[in-house]
Amino acid sequence: GNSVTQMEGPVTLSEEAFLTINCTYTATGYPSLFWYVQYPGEGLQLLLKATKADDKGSNKGFEATYRKETTSFHLEKGSVQVSDSAVYFCALASGNTPLVFGKGTRLSVIA
Amino acid sequence: NAGVTQTPKFQVLKTGQSMTLQCAQDMNHEYMSWYRQDPGMGLRLIHYSVGAGITDQGEVPNGYNVSRSTTEDFPLRLLSAAPSQTSVYFCASSLPGTRGETQYFGPGTRLLVL
Repeated sequence: GNSVTQMEGPVTLSEEAFLTINCTYTATGYPSLFWYVQYPGEGLQLLLKATKADDKGSNKGFEATYRKETTSFHLEKGSVQVSDSAVYFCALASGNTPLVFGKGTRLSVIA
Repeated sequence: NAGVTQTPKFQVLKTGQSMTLQCAQDMNHEYMSWYRQDPGMGLRLIHYSVGAGITDQGEVPNGYNVSRSTTEDFPLRLLSAAPSQTSVYFCASSLPGTRGETQYFGPGTRLLVL
């Protein structure tokens, strides 16, 4: 079945540090891949997505590239801010099956 | 647009009580779903619906019922609450076909079962 594995948290970084959150997947067919973000006390919201191999999703300085050969979709940001503190979820959808989420990675950025 | 709304925001139940968590969306989305979020477990799908009159089970459906009589509403019913159902519940909606489509989430309902 479809599954997503993302790095365990929590991750604590200083402001302006480089961020990588690893995400790998197992899926049948050709899935779409997503990163969702959950700020404290809120629901999830889409951060970025990629729908085919080699696509790069980007938003708010975050980027992730759909790598079919390594079945990965790692999230990166060159310089994090305190306001980026949140929980980040990697997810996939294949065919018309419901979205499958990873367990989430909590990021704390300190000034 | 209000997007996806959920009520109540917070609820305390005693074991054995029943209740309905409300979810509504005003974006004319055909696809709606319910998730529960537990520490260390991420989001797990409870039930989902691809359109009015059609529902299906997700990963953790036991103890929950749903119905979809209109496009806008997708209530989640707890028939006999148990402490294991203490969680944060999120409703989401999207255009048809989850592949490639953005899911829009509500703000969540925090449920405590004593």
